[in-house]
Amino acid sequence: DQQVKQNSPSLSVQEGRISILNCDYTNSMFDYFLWYKKYPAEGPTFLISISSIKDKNEDGRFTVFLNKSAKHLSLHIVPSQPGDSAVYFCAATTVMDSNYQLIWGAGTKLIIKP
Amino acid sequence: DAGVIQSPRHEVTEMGQEVTLRCKPISGHNSLFWYRQTMMRGLELLIYFNNNVPIDDSGMPEDRFSAKMPNASFSTLKIQPSEPRDSAVYFCASSLAGGGQFFGPGTRLTVL
Repeated sequence: DQQVKQNSPSLSVQEGRISILNCDYTNSMFDYFLWYKKYPAEGPTFLISISSIKDKNEDGRFTVFLNKSAKHLSLHIVPSQPGDSAVYFCAATTVMDSNYQLIWGAGTKLIIKP
Repeated sequence: DAGVIQSPRHEVTEMGQEVTLRCKPISGHNSLFWYRQTMMRGLELLIYFNNNVPIDDSGMPEDRFSAKMPNASFSTLKIQPSEPRDSAVYFCASSLAGGGQFFGPGTRLTVL
């Protein structure tokens, strides 16, 4: 059973517009969520995170929103740029897990069209 | 720091051969993770170590897979014998307890 789901395998967005990537989770024990970005032939790199005590975290063009009641989070990229084209992974964990094991979604491939 | 180092970057082998993937975590990190990425299943955690001790290997697909971490600066993932369905990109990541995971560049394995 997938505890973290990214239901859109791919997403295509026009350059300059907003990209919205979605992620759903089932385990109510998760209290810390992360987004990673992955370019081809490279390992994933950390992008932005959010704790369950917040509902929004912003870092430049990237904003993550968390809706705990819906067990849903989203990553907004505004404005989208060609360099944002990558695979985005959503991951979740619980801070009580001292080993910091992440549970990963399957990823969403974002394509920014010029 | 050079980041997480993995070798080889690419490996092509024939079915039945033994494959060994290597990882050097970031110095000072005490957790190490092995992941496999495939088109069908995305990023799967295979096994992770804390202070060189395997904590959870429930993601290891079969007995053909084994992982070791003889010291804090080195880990291996071995597949013996390899099969075509093992073809994937294998990532190693390391972290300091409570911190984010830093990934290596991955090893692309092709089993013919």
